[in-house]
Amino acid sequence: SQQGEEDPQALSIQEGENATMNCSYKTSINNLQWYRQNSGRGLVHLILIRSNEREKHSGRLRVTLDTSKKSSSLLITASRAADTASYFCATEFSGGYQKVTFGIGTKLQVIP
Amino acid sequence: KAGVTQTPRYLIKTRGQQVTLSCSPISGHRSVSWYQQTPGQGLQFLFEYFSETQRNKGNFPGRFSGRQFSNSRSEMNVSTLELGDSALYLCASSPGGPRTGELFFGEGSRLTVL
Repeated sequence: SQQGEEDPQALSIQEGENATMNCSYKTSINNLQWYRQNSGRGLVHLILIRSNEREKHSGRLRVTLDTSKKSSSLLITASRAADTASYFCATEFSGGYQKVTFGIGTKLQVIP
Repeated sequence: KAGVTQTPRYLIKTRGQQVTLSCSPISGHRSVSWYQQTPGQGLQFLFEYFSETQRNKGNFPGRFSGRQFSNSRSEMNVSTLELGDSALYLCASSPGGPRTGELFFGEGSRLTVL
């Protein structure tokens, strides 16, 4: 499968703690993206990191990419109850016109 | 700017029937992708259209088909529905070009097959 795989599949933390989610993939990519989904609604784009970038920040989000290990991590700092959602990594593989494929996701619960 | 609009939001069908779902992308976006989301399977890629041409296709049976119109609106059709087709069908648009980049999703069409 070309899908990225998130780890862990579920994560429960206290408000104020940091949450770390990991994503692994199998082939060369153009970019890797992270999305968030609330309760079976549409996905919302969080951040995109290109294959030649190693780290990217957006507000309380920090994403790293290690192309040698074919892995990425998403760190949410100082989590809030409103961060409770499912988080997906999505990979766009290199070569030609490529589709964006998603992993199964990490379900994050932030307890107030 | 209006977001991606999917209709209908909810629908119930019985086995053997067919269904058509519609997606209106963000104005100016030329690429539309469709995904099926089921519990435990994540998002499975169905197909992508760009300028009325299918550019990519996932591993779904021929019962799943789609098309894109000249105004970039897209439809997907599922014929001879099976119980396993019950899912949230998500449409996403992007500006297009050689790289898909960021996807903008609609709220989805939730299909229940009885």
